[in-house]
Amino acid sequence: DVKVTQSSRYLVKRTGEKVFLECVQDMDHENMFWYRQDPGLGLRLIYFSYDVKMKEKGDIPEGYSVSREKKERFSLILESASTNQTSMYLCASSFRPLNEQFFGPGTRLTVL
Amino acid sequence: AQSVTQPDIHITVSEGASLELRCNYSYGATPYLFWYVQSPGQGLQLLLKYFSGDTLVQGIKGFEAEFKRSQSSFNLRKPSVHWSDAAEYFCAVGVISTDKLIFGTGTRLQVFP
Repeated sequence: DVKVTQSSRYLVKRTGEKVFLECVQDMDHENMFWYRQDPGLGLRLIYFSYDVKMKEKGDIPEGYSVSREKKERFSLILESASTNQTSMYLCASSFRPLNEQFFGPGTRLTVL
Repeated sequence: AQSVTQPDIHITVSEGASLELRCNYSYGATPYLFWYVQSPGQGLQLLLKYFSGDTLVQGIKGFEAEFKRSQSSFNLRKPSVHWSDAAEYFCAVGVISTDKLIFGTGTRLQVFP
């Protein structure tokens, strides 16, 4: 069974903290994605990566960075968390960018 | 600019009733279209996709969708809803030039017994 796992289901952090969200896929997919999901706004793409060490900005990259050192792992980094980054974060992977994307269960991040 | 509109934020149906969820898109070329479902506490799962060919697409869990170019629509249908279909449904368009998916804001489906 194909799988995308995310390191935490729930996370609570304080303003100004550095936050790491980890995502691992076991499908040998080239492409990986980070989205944030907010009520009434749907999913918005933060960053994606089409290969190891490659990254592309999505629609809302401000305040975030990413790292992809290994093919199976894609990390989202909040350098200095702020309250407006409180959200659900979803990781996804796919063989090709516009093929089916497989999603992880999400991390609900609260920044106090 | 490309966009996806799901006009219904929340829909309530009785179990066994038919269902249609609306999706309209704005895209200059032939679109890649998707429907995803998100059950409570879970990530998204692909229901079906349209890339080309037959405009009526069959998906998993008894869902189907019809691509209508003239109406820029890709509505999702199911003839008889089950209580387990209660979830949030997202329509998405794939933008070939950027390799990105653009998602609609979602429709939350509630099913009454």
